[in-house]
Amino acid sequence: DAKTTQPPSMDCAEGRAANLPCNHSTISGNEYVYWYRQIHSQGPQYIIHGLKNNETNEMASLIITEDRKSSTLILPHATLRDTAVYYCIVEGGSEKLVFGKGTKLTVNP
Amino acid sequence: KAGVTQTPRYLIKTRGQQVTLSCSPISGHRSVSWYQQTPGQGLQFLFEYFSETQRNKGNFPGRFSGRQFSNSRSEMNVSTLELGDSALYLCASSLVWGPFEGYTFGSGTRLTVV
Repeated sequence: DAKTTQPPSMDCAEGRAANLPCNHSTISGNEYVYWYRQIHSQGPQYIIHGLKNNETNEMASLIITEDRKSSTLILPHATLRDTAVYYCIVEGGSEKLVFGKGTKLTVNP
Repeated sequence: KAGVTQTPRYLIKTRGQQVTLSCSPISGHRSVSWYQQTPGQGLQFLFEYFSETQRNKGNFPGRFSGRQFSNSRSEMNVSTLELGDSALYLCASSLVWGPFEGYTFGSGTRLTVV
């Protein structure tokens, strides 16, 4: 079973920041937080991952709370092409990725 | 660089038949994972191969099997197809064993069992 809880859907205006929350209250010390997204009919796309510190790359920022029980994926300037299902996954080093139901993000013009 | 290539993209099979799906990982990637995606169950892990060895296996019946070749290409086979096997089958590759560096997924093979 997935170890994360995400809202089933969210809306965001084009050009605004999209903040996608994820709860992972049972995360253990060696487990990473991963974010993937899946645009309709395509394979999931890796976005970012982190352990303790906040992370940023060209796609997004990942903010992990100090107690590591929750995190937020931030898309700083959402575009229509960011409309997708976003998956937050918690997993340890050599384990498989377990996908939950994710958050369907709709970016509106 | 070339991404993960899955063939065929679409497939229609009859109940009771068997099917083989192919996945060519990104050059240099040695780990290949397989996932099944259905509207009802979402994305479910099938198995992961690294250096020709199965490292992890999901909760699927023995009708689902896979293998990895020395060039890291992988195949999965489903025997005695059932209607419920209709799904999008996704392959993902990574540089090392485990998800540390992020999996790169292919576009999938859409299998329809009639």
